[in-house]
Amino acid sequence: AQSVTQPDIHITVSEGASLELRCNYSYGATPYLFWYVQSPGQGLQLLLKYFSGDTLVQGIKGFEAEFKRSQSSFNLRKPSVHWSDAAEYFCAVGALGNEKLTFGTGTRLTIIP
Amino acid sequence: NAGVTQTPKFQVLKTGQSMTLQCAQDMNHEYMSWYRQDPGMGLRLIHYSVGAGITDQGEVPNGYNVSRSTTEDFPLRLLSAAPSQTSVYFCASSPTGGNQPQHFGDGTRLSIL
Repeated sequence: AQSVTQPDIHITVSEGASLELRCNYSYGATPYLFWYVQSPGQGLQLLLKYFSGDTLVQGIKGFEAEFKRSQSSFNLRKPSVHWSDAAEYFCAVGALGNEKLTFGTGTRLTIIP
Repeated sequence: NAGVTQTPKFQVLKTGQSMTLQCAQDMNHEYMSWYRQDPGMGLRLIHYSVGAGITDQGEVPNGYNVSRSTTEDFPLRLLSAAPSQTSVYFCASSPTGGNQPQHFGDGTRLSIL
């Protein structure tokens, strides 16, 4: 069965600082990997996705993520965070032929001035 | 462009009452799904549908029923509400499957007293 681990429940960073949110997955085949962002009271919005090819993927709002098969990781990064990035971030894993998308438990990001 | 529309946004029920959460999408997506979001547990898949007339169970289906009579609509039914079903419910859709980027509604916050 596929699973996703987001080891950090809550992260606080200063505005303008760099950010890395961790995501580890477990799946036997080649995974389809996603990062979503959720602002308070809203649904989830797709930030970026990885299906195959280049292991460094670019997303919206200046985010990027790197797929590392050897480490079973798909960490999300941003070079300089803005106050508007405060939200909850979810990593998710799917796979070819599997109709069930599995989400991690989320990481809440707080931005301080 | 409405996307995925969920109604109602908020609801309070008493234990044992029944209710239907509505979900409609106007993007002609084949795949639709329901998730529940609980603190510290991320999003968990309740039921999903790969097309009209086809539904299947997700990770936490007990206590919930679904049907898919049209491509556009995917209602979620609670036949006898229990306090453990207090949660935020999200409907999502995608063009072809659960392993594709999902479009989420804004959620229904449900409290069972």
